[in-house]
Amino acid sequence: DQQVKQNSPSLSVQEGRISILNCDYTNSMFDYFLWYKKYPAEGPTFLISISSIKDKNEDGRFTVFLNKSAKHLSLHIVPSQPGDSAVYFCAARTSGGSNYKLTFGKGTLLTVNP
Amino acid sequence: NAGVMQNPRHLVRRRGQEARLRCSPMKGHSHVYWYRQLPEEGLKFMVYLQKENIIDESGMPKERFSAEFPKEGPSILRIQQVVRGDSAAYFCASSPRGQGVFVGGNTIYFGEGSWLTVV
Repeated sequence: DQQVKQNSPSLSVQEGRISILNCDYTNSMFDYFLWYKKYPAEGPTFLISISSIKDKNEDGRFTVFLNKSAKHLSLHIVPSQPGDSAVYFCAARTSGGSNYKLTFGKGTLLTVNP
Repeated sequence: NAGVMQNPRHLVRRRGQEARLRCSPMKGHSHVYWYRQLPEEGLKFMVYLQKENIIDESGMPKERFSAEFPKEGPSILRIQQVVRGDSAAYFCASSPRGQGVFVGGNTIYFGEGSWLTVV
């Protein structure tokens, strides 16, 4: 049962353009969402997060949007750079749950072409 | 993710053998977590340990899998009598404090992973 879904296994964009990575969830008990970035043969690295009480969080080139009614969140990267090429995982935490018991999506491979 | 050391990076085992994966947390971290990523899947929590204690093993398969974090030395994830379905990437993570109080998404630091292949 995939509670966190990243339906696009891959995405390709041109350098300088916007990258939009999408994530859908089914569990209404999720109250905190995170994005991780993973390079090949490396572990995931935390990128940005958002609480369910917000609908937007911005950190430099990265912005995460949350639409609770649609159970949808998205990560925007603008402008995209070749170094952003990696797998991006969406993850969620259950309200009152342990912070280490995150539910991860399968990931989206982003390729930014020079 | 610099600082969490995992070894071996790649391990090949025949069915029925034992696999041992080691994890040294970041300096100053006393909390260790193991996750597994099966092919085409997201990471899934397996176990949370502190020194000499298993805090939460709710994600561990019931049989053949065990984990420890001794007073001295690295944390070890042990898989006995491996089967092909155990082939996966195993990630260790560490944190400086327990996760009962949430202090932000970047409090868990992942290692580079150990890739187990069972042939």
